Amino acid sequence: GAGVSQSPSNKVTEKGKDVELRCDPISGHTALYWYRQSLGQGLEFLIYFQGNSAPDKSGLPSDRFSAERTGGSVSTLTIQRTQQEDSAVYLCASSLGGVGETQYFGPGTRLLVL
Amino acid sequence: QKEVEQDPGPLSVPEGAIVSLNCTYSNSAFQYFMWYRQYSRKGPELLMYTYSSGNKEDGRFTAQVDKSSKYISLFIRDSQPSDSATYLCAMRKGVSGFQKLVFGTGTRLLVSP
Repeated sequence: GAGVSQSPSNKVTEKGKDVELRCDPISGHTALYWYRQSLGQGLEFLIYFQGNSAPDKSGLPSDRFSAERTGGSVSTLTIQRTQQEDSAVYLCASSLGGVGETQYFGPGTRLLVL
Repeated sequence: QKEVEQDPGPLSVPEGAIVSLNCTYSNSAFQYFMWYRQYSRKGPELLMYTYSSGNKEDGRFTAQVDKSSKYISLFIRDSQPSDSATYLCAMRKGVSGFQKLVFGTGTRLLVSP
C-alpha cells in the first residue's frame, strides 16, 4: 500500500520568504508527527497531531513555525520569514494512533534557504 | 549535553563482519528503545523495538539494552553491502500520554564487498 508521501521533495528559497511543506499520511493513521533533521543533529521532534488537534507542539523552534492538519489527513508545515538556519530535511511520520505505535516516515523535504 | 549520544562514524567494515552500534543516554526515565535504519535520501524505517532491559533478536539483528549502564546496542551479524546506511537509536519515556521520541544523531555504516 501507499506509504507516507511528502511534497515537495526539494525546496530552495530565499531568506525571508515563506514556505509550505506538505505531508500525506498513510490512510487510516490518526497520529501524525513532524521532525527536522539537520546535519549532525539527528531527528528533532517538532509537533504531534492526533486527528486534527496538536496535543504537543513543544518542539516548534519559534513562532515562525506553524502546522495544521485538516480532515484528519493531510498536514502542512509552514515556515514564515525563512532563515538560513532553517535549512534541513523536514520529515513527516504517521502511526495508527496509539502513543506506542510504530511511526512510518516519509522521504522528507529538503529545504535550502539561501 | 544531549539526552542521547551516538557516535556519528562512519564505521567501515568488510562484508561478513559483525557490526556493533551503540548509544548512551542520560535520562533514566526512558523505557522504550528503538533502532531505525535510514538509507540516503529516504526516511528512517524501524528495525528493532525493545522494552526495558534485555536482548531481542530478529534474523541477523540483535538489540541489547542495559538500563543500569544507560547503554543500548545493535549488533548486525554477517553484514552485507545492503546494510550500508545510517542507523539511528531512539527512545521514549514509559509514562502515560504522548511521549516524544528522542533520537541519537545516527551512525553511518559502510559495508564493503
